Amino acid sequence: NAGVMQNPRHLVRRRGQEARLRCSPVKGHSHVYWYRQLPEEGLKFMVYLQKENIIDESGMPKERFSAEFPKEGPSILRIQQVVRGDSAAYFCASSPGTGRAADTEAFFGQGTRLTVV
Amino acid sequence: GQNIDQPTEMTATEGAIVQINCTYQTSGFNGLFWYQQHAGEAPTFLSYNVLDGLEEKGRFSSFLSRSKGYSYLLLKELQMKDSASYLCAPNTGGFKTIFGAGTRLFVKA
Repeated sequence: NAGVMQNPRHLVRRRGQEARLRCSPVKGHSHVYWYRQLPEEGLKFMVYLQKENIIDESGMPKERFSAEFPKEGPSILRIQQVVRGDSAAYFCASSPGTGRAADTEAFFGQGTRLTVV
Repeated sequence: GQNIDQPTEMTATEGAIVQINCTYQTSGFNGLFWYQQHAGEAPTFLSYNVLDGLEEKGRFSSFLSRSKGYSYLLLKELQMKDSASYLCAPNTGGFKTIFGAGTRLFVKA
């Protein structure tokens, strides 16, 4: 009974490189969310996706950041030309999305800790 | 706009009771989650309130007042392992949940 799987757990990138963060949701979950957490801060919503669709990307920076959730395979959060300020923990969560209030509960992955040097 | 307020830190003694308050202002509202997050780990679900009132689940209870935009999490019989951050998280609709900065709870012996 696998939960949300994120990889890698830790990622180090030099300034200007690309970072690719992967998230496999709980089996059967069709909704995926990405959050960013800076040290000593709360989770900041970035983007909400359903299979092959971006539903809400209001929290995602307009440049350098993109997300996808293809029909097959994990959701990917991609950060191009990383800068030091991108260093953070990136959490992915999934939910079943059946329409019942209780099913909005999000199950979180262990996060990817990105360090930009 | 969206705004969530909760205390930054709280300290309590093992065996005691602590109440963590949260006020929120959101453009939409379906219900309110509380999550627990230990340092360096993923948040884990504690409770979800949709209706006004108190819901009890073991040592943890959560209260909601929709008209006041107010919720609290009550932890009883505190244990050392309860030292963590507690995140107030309104669901604003469309399966979107936003998070407060969290309250760091320190439980001392």
